[in-house]
Amino acid sequence: DAGVTQSPTHLIKTRGQHVTLRCSPISGHKSVSWYQQVLGQGPQFIFQYYEKEERGRGNFPDRFSARQFPNYSSELNVNALLLGDSALYLCASSRQASSYEQYFGPGTRLTVT
Amino acid sequence: DQQVKQNSPSLSVQEGRISILNCDYTNSMFDYFLWYKKYPAEGPTFLISISSIKDKNEDGRFTVFLNKSAKHLSLHIVPSQPGDSAVYFCAAIAGSGGSNYKLTFGKGTLLTVNP
Repeated sequence: DAGVTQSPTHLIKTRGQHVTLRCSPISGHKSVSWYQQVLGQGPQFIFQYYEKEERGRGNFPDRFSARQFPNYSSELNVNALLLGDSALYLCASSRQASSYEQYFGPGTRLTVT
Repeated sequence: DQQVKQNSPSLSVQEGRISILNCDYTNSMFDYFLWYKKYPAEGPTFLISISSIKDKNEDGRFTVFLNKSAKHLSLHIVPSQPGDSAVYFCAAIAGSGGSNYKLTFGKGTLLTVNP
């Protein structure tokens, strides 16, 4: 079975630009969560989505937004990019919103110059 | 404030010996704990988990111990293998009664297993 997939793998953007990252969950999983990992830190929670509804939001500015589609895939959007947004963006899927075990994709490495 | 703490940034052990990775937490609402392994340029891989109603969970070479009174958990790897060399993250969830099941991670411990 295919695991969580994310695209693109790497991305380079300029300050002020906008970026869209994509995630496809494991087949049968209905919940998707997004995390940001900066160098030397553990992943930080950004959003959780379940059945197209936002179930949780971490401590990130409104420049960060996300959505989930009927096929349970998800997009993370970041507007007005800052240098500090450079990080590895991870998507995790789980069967339900209340599932404890989450499975991660390979991540998208975003570099903002 | 760091709710999940991994105080050892790195650990080096010899192949065949035991690796013990430690994790402390401060939030008494956490009711489920997970360990993930991460190689460079890859996403975290789920290893093993434990519910707060248990004090031990074992899966092959990996055992996780939970001491709720001390708010401490540890991951034991026996025997350690060179392929175990990676960054290990401890994570926790406050699921019961919560509106979302977000993972709160520690900063990770880099384990190096020497042949």
